[in-house]
Amino acid sequence: AAGVIQSPRHLIKEKRETATLKCYPIPRHDTVYWYQQGPGQDPQFLISFYEKMQSDKGSIPDRFSAQQFSDYHSELNMSSLELGDSALYFCASSPTGLTEAFFGQGTRLTVV
Amino acid sequence: AQTVTQSQPEMSVQEAETVTLSCTYDTSESNYYLFWYKQPPSRQMILVIRQEAYKQQNATENRFSVNFQKAAKSFSLKISDSQLGDTAMYFCAFMIDTGNQFYFGTGTSLTVIP
Repeated sequence: AAGVIQSPRHLIKEKRETATLKCYPIPRHDTVYWYQQGPGQDPQFLISFYEKMQSDKGSIPDRFSAQQFSDYHSELNMSSLELGDSALYFCASSPTGLTEAFFGQGTRLTVV
Repeated sequence: AQTVTQSQPEMSVQEAETVTLSCTYDTSESNYYLFWYKQPPSRQMILVIRQEAYKQQNATENRFSVNFQKAAKSFSLKISDSQLGDTAMYFCAFMIDTGNQFYFGTGTSLTVIP
């Protein structure tokens, strides 16, 4: 069965650079969630989209932005990267009518 | 505000034994869902079990079962016949029926000892 695809799997950036993380949800899933998980931490909610509109917003820095496109894939754009942004970034998707999230394998971002 | 609390940062269990992981939550909502997610060393987040708050019957998935006490706002996970592959971080999570985000606990690191 198709799963949530995230790319890239690993990313190394320098401070003050920009990064773009991509998420391809499971087909026919119209909700996408983004989470940030620091080392030894629980996942922290960043933002979610439903039908290409932002539906909820968590502790997402102003330096970050995200959107969901017409094909339902989503991108998380991160600018002016800081060392503290180093984390595992998860994308999850869920279909309408089912309160259950299917997670991708995550993108490990390292800021040096 | 919704909160999820896991009071056991680390636990261990002998292979083939049974272990129970605790989770409590706080919400003023009446319709919500509870989950246990497993995160093995690969760090993939895998859904273990799901419980609808409106269902009184406890969810069961093979060796995994929950003890859902709605009045006490408690949602514990029981793992029977523990296997080495159960070694992982386990996160309790919560979502309200009309919500668009999952709230996670801080996790319990479970080690299954051969």
